[in-house]
Amino acid sequence: EDQVTQSPEALRLQEGESSSLNCSYTVSGLRGLFWYRQDPGKGPEFLFTLYSAGEEKEKERLKATLTKKESFLHITAPKPEDSATYLCAVRGGYNKLIFGAGTRLAVHP
Amino acid sequence: GAGVSQSPSNKVTEKGKDVELRCDPISGHTALYWYRQSLGQGLEFLIYFQGNSAPDKSGLPSDRFSAERTGGSVSTLTIQRTQQEDSAVYLCASSSPDGLAGDRPPSSYNEQFFGPGTRLTVL
Repeated sequence: EDQVTQSPEALRLQEGESSSLNCSYTVSGLRGLFWYRQDPGKGPEFLFTLYSAGEEKEKERLKATLTKKESFLHITAPKPEDSATYLCAVRGGYNKLIFGAGTRLAVHP
Repeated sequence: GAGVSQSPSNKVTEKGKDVELRCDPISGHTALYWYRQSLGQGLEFLIYFQGNSAPDKSGLPSDRFSAERTGGSVSTLTIQRTQQEDSAVYLCASSSPDGLAGDRPPSSYNEQFFGPGTRLTVL
């Protein structure tokens, strides 16, 4: 059964303090790993798709990386506006997304 | 419209009543997904539409839940005889042009775009 586990559940950072979020996955044949950002009261907003081990993608202060067992979302010098819940998902049958429980990130000035 | 829209944004109902939740996908998107997000939980898949057909209903939690899609566009999720455990945010997503990646080269072609959700509270 396809499964996604995210850690930590919550992370508090000071502005400028870099860190990483982890997404471990178990899937029979990876057909895409997705990172989304979700702000309170809103739907998830697409960030990245990764397909093969070694692949990396960047967007502003965020960089996503992928190995055969996990993905990391690295946040460099975060700002308060980076505060959100970050969701990781893998593509399952019929392209449905199988999500982890998310990591709640709070960045304080 | 520019994005996926859902209505109502909030719905409060009494236990035992029926509710209908609506999703308007991005124009031209043939694939439509419903997910549920309970408090403190990740998103849970409910049902997938390709056009007006639903080839994957495996996530519907009980026969009180049903959904339909008409004209390959708007979808309605219906919950009959609501229970308190149905309280959650119901999210809709759409993608283009179809739901099957097959052997298509990897790209963001099939990324799913989410609506803002409907927050359902069953008293």
